[in-house]
Amino acid sequence: AQKITQTQPGMFVQEKEAVTLDCTYDTSDQSYGLFWYKQPSSGEMIFLIYQGSYDEQNATEGRYSLNFQKARKSANLVISASQLGDSAMYFCAPTGGGNKLTFGTGTQLKVEL
Amino acid sequence: NAGVMQNPRHLVRRRGQEARLRCSPMKGHSHVYWYRQLPEEGLKFMVYLQKENIIDESGMPKERFSAEFPKEGPSILRIQQVVRGDSAAYFCASSPPSAPGQEQFFGPGTRLTVL
Repeated sequence: AQKITQTQPGMFVQEKEAVTLDCTYDTSDQSYGLFWYKQPSSGEMIFLIYQGSYDEQNATEGRYSLNFQKARKSANLVISASQLGDSAMYFCAPTGGGNKLTFGTGTQLKVEL
Repeated sequence: NAGVMQNPRHLVRRRGQEARLRCSPMKGHSHVYWYRQLPEEGLKFMVYLQKENIIDESGMPKERFSAEFPKEGPSILRIQQVVRGDSAAYFCASSPPSAPGQEQFFGPGTRLTVL
């Protein structure tokens, strides 16, 4: 089974600062996708950003960007200009073995004033 | 354009009863995925369906759990004879036929509590 590693169970960042959330994976697929989702305390899963393994440019969506290093099997999420509303659980999820997503254990981000 | 809809949002069952969870995908989406999230854990894949077909059920427990996605109507995840360990949040996601797996949008989840 594919293994996803999010090494930071908890992170703190000051408002307006940037923060990087780490994710590594061990897929053997040649073609795959990488998702990041946010789960606030209310429980819903919010899609943030997607990167295809053959995309040459790192994906960006507003304040979110991916630092995708395919050779290292790493896809870190960078959130710029953190806001209080960014406080949530963040999950990295590559596709693997078809179209299903395999989720990491998550990183709990807390944005402080 | 409504998102993925799940109902009920909260479901309470006693041990031994049946639980039926419904998922209506986004308009135009023909691929449905079910995931389970136990407390304090990430989501775990259960099953992947297209209309009238189960494509991948490698994450489904062998007993008591079944899923369907009929030609008409929502996808149903059915849990028979529920036990306390089935208490979890169950999420449904959908993606369009043009990009299966590339865009998975999640519903709000159904929180199942087994007493």
